Amino acid sequence: AAGVIQSPRHLIKEKRETATLKCYPIPRHDTVYWYQQGPGQDPQFLISFYEKMQSDKGSIPDRFSAQQFSDYHSELNMSSLELGDSALYFCASSSPGEPETQYFGPGTRLLVL
Amino acid sequence: DAKTTQPNSMESNEEEPVHLPCNHSTISGTDYIHWYRQLPSQGPEYVIHGLTSNVNNRMASLAIAEDRKSSTLILHRATLRDAAVYYCILDSGAGSYQLTFGKGTKLSVIP
Repeated sequence: AAGVIQSPRHLIKEKRETATLKCYPIPRHDTVYWYQQGPGQDPQFLISFYEKMQSDKGSIPDRFSAQQFSDYHSELNMSSLELGDSALYFCASSSPGEPETQYFGPGTRLLVL
Repeated sequence: DAKTTQPNSMESNEEEPVHLPCNHSTISGTDYIHWYRQLPSQGPEYVIHGLTSNVNNRMASLAIAEDRKSSTLILHRATLRDAAVYYCILDSGAGSYQLTFGKGTKLSVIP
């Protein structure tokens, strides 16, 4: 079965640079969630989109922005990167039929030097 | 938000049943109980969820106390692949399905 696709899988950036992470949800899923997991920490919710509109916002820094496109894929844009942004970034998607169940991608590992 | 409490870690022998407890004494009447797990170096994975009645699926069973203040995730025969961090998460289902991950229980499976 198709799963959530995230790209790139690994990314290395310098401080103050920008990064764009992409998420392709499972086909026919209309909701996308972004989570950040720092080293040794538990995943933290950042932001979600339902039908291309922002549906919920968590602890997402102002330097980050995200959107969901007409094909339902989503992008997380991160600017003025800081060392503390080094983390795993997971995207999850859910379907209209079972909105309470999230299916996670493999994550993008971002390292800021 | 209602909080959950889980043991930091548990051990199980391979092919034996595992009972992972979760306390949620401040749960509200509309809160669903979700379980996710995260294998090393992977994204979280949905395991099971329920509201009031016990639930079974191909991965596990969820036993919910009558007063709903606690629940237990049951893995019927632990395998090495079940070694993961297991998260018990409450969700009000009131339109916002963001998951609030707590500390979780790290399950080790001994061959």
